[in-house]
Amino acid sequence: EAQLVESGGGLVQPGESLRLSCAASGLNFSSNWMGWVRQAPGKGLAWVATINNDGKETYYVDSVKGRFTISRDNAKNSLYLQMNSLRVEDMAVYFCGRAGTPGSVDYWGQGSLVIVSS
Amino acid sequence: EVVMTQSPLSLPVTLGQPVSISCRSRQSLVSREGKTYLNWFHQRPGQSPRRLIYEISDRDSGVPDRFSGSGSGIDFTLKISRVEAEDVGIYYCMQGTHWPWTFGQGTKVEIK
Repeated sequence: EAQLVESGGGLVQPGESLRLSCAASGLNFSSNWMGWVRQAPGKGLAWVATINNDGKETYYVDSVKGRFTISRDNAKNSLYLQMNSLRVEDMAVYFCGRAGTPGSVDYWGQGSLVIVSS
Repeated sequence: EVVMTQSPLSLPVTLGQPVSISCRSRQSLVSREGKTYLNWFHQRPGQSPRRLIYEISDRDSGVPDRFSGSGSGIDFTLKISRVEAEDVGIYYCMQGTHWPWTFGQGTKVEIK
């Protein structure tokens, strides 16, 4: 069964760091672009970052450039999001997703909650 | 970034009645390859989104045929021919043509 499982969320103070992981199974991970989408409490969905299949191309939304880093380990079927200098406005549920078809996300994880509060 | 505007934002519906949700972008979503990467997702409370439609009108496997997508260029529509109870939730359009990919604000569908 195809599955994406996020982990690593939690409560941090502003300015601190957190690393999210996303473990893929049954999804032909190494052949697909992957990405992170976040959803602030009670709000809509917003793209955060995308990475191509071999990890050599990455794209970020302006609000996280220079603070967040997306990476992957195809040998471990895992996607990561290193989040530094976290701000209150970064508080959200973070979903990992597979871009299995161009310009789209066909599989989503269940989400990992990041709380940024002093 | 490409702003996606959905309407209406709230949609009380009667079971068995049709539903139509509009999604408009501020610029063309036609890619250099000639494809239009416009998607529709459905999200129930406390759940992750589920893709219903990609490339304007292609329905995902397992999605009931009461769901259909249409449109072109900057103007797109999701239709549900006869709403069922399981269709409640929030519907989002998303463009995947221009980075950053962007979502509409969401349309909340609820049963009257």
